[in-house]
Amino acid sequence: SQQGEEDPQALSIQEGENATMNCSYKTSINNLQWYRQNSGRGLVHLILIRSNEREKHSGRLRVTLDTSKKSSSLLITASRAADTASYFCATDNSGNTPLVFGKGTRLSVIA
Amino acid sequence: GAGVSQSPSNKVTEKGKDVELRCDPISGHTALYWYRQSLGQGLEFLIYFQGNSAPDKSGLPSDRFSAERTGGSVSTLTIQRTQQEDSAVYLCASSLGPETDTQYFGPGTRLTVL
Repeated sequence: SQQGEEDPQALSIQEGENATMNCSYKTSINNLQWYRQNSGRGLVHLILIRSNEREKHSGRLRVTLDTSKKSSSLLITASRAADTASYFCATDNSGNTPLVFGKGTRLSVIA
Repeated sequence: GAGVSQSPSNKVTEKGKDVELRCDPISGHTALYWYRQSLGQGLEFLIYFQGNSAPDKSGLPSDRFSAERTGGSVSTLTIQRTQQEDSAVYLCASSLGPETDTQYFGPGTRLTVL
């Protein structure tokens, strides 16, 4: 069953603007991860945030986690055309089960 | 170091034929995962291995799909009597330890069933 759901499904912005993508999930988690996928090929891990963390930064990426609302957001600041990709959140369901991926947000950054 | 590799990168086959997809995980990674992704869609979990055993086969869509892993390393995903709806990108990933670890993905195999 689907655990993480990204929102919006698609996002188009101008280069230099910030891009915000959201992820909602249903059950309690140990951690939440964000991945990026270019051109329908392999995913690349971006960042992991644990359930006891509220915010995490990595370069131009900022991830927040609100466990009371069961939601996370990924913010990409000062976007670049090269950020164009699909972004997925993945959660672990607090058990010995593999990560469950959402359907992704397709981000287009227009130069 | 070397990442996850998959072969072939592309496979075109005729309906009814069997296909075998291969995944070489990162050396030392104990967990290995197979996903399927149809055009423009999210990842569909198929099966995962911890070592050579598969604790969770719940995602395999039909009994035409099977997978094995030998020596705690290479894995093969076999699709028998392929159907057109099997056309998709098949992604493999591996992780160092527990199932909740960060996963490292291969480039995928694009399967087209004519």
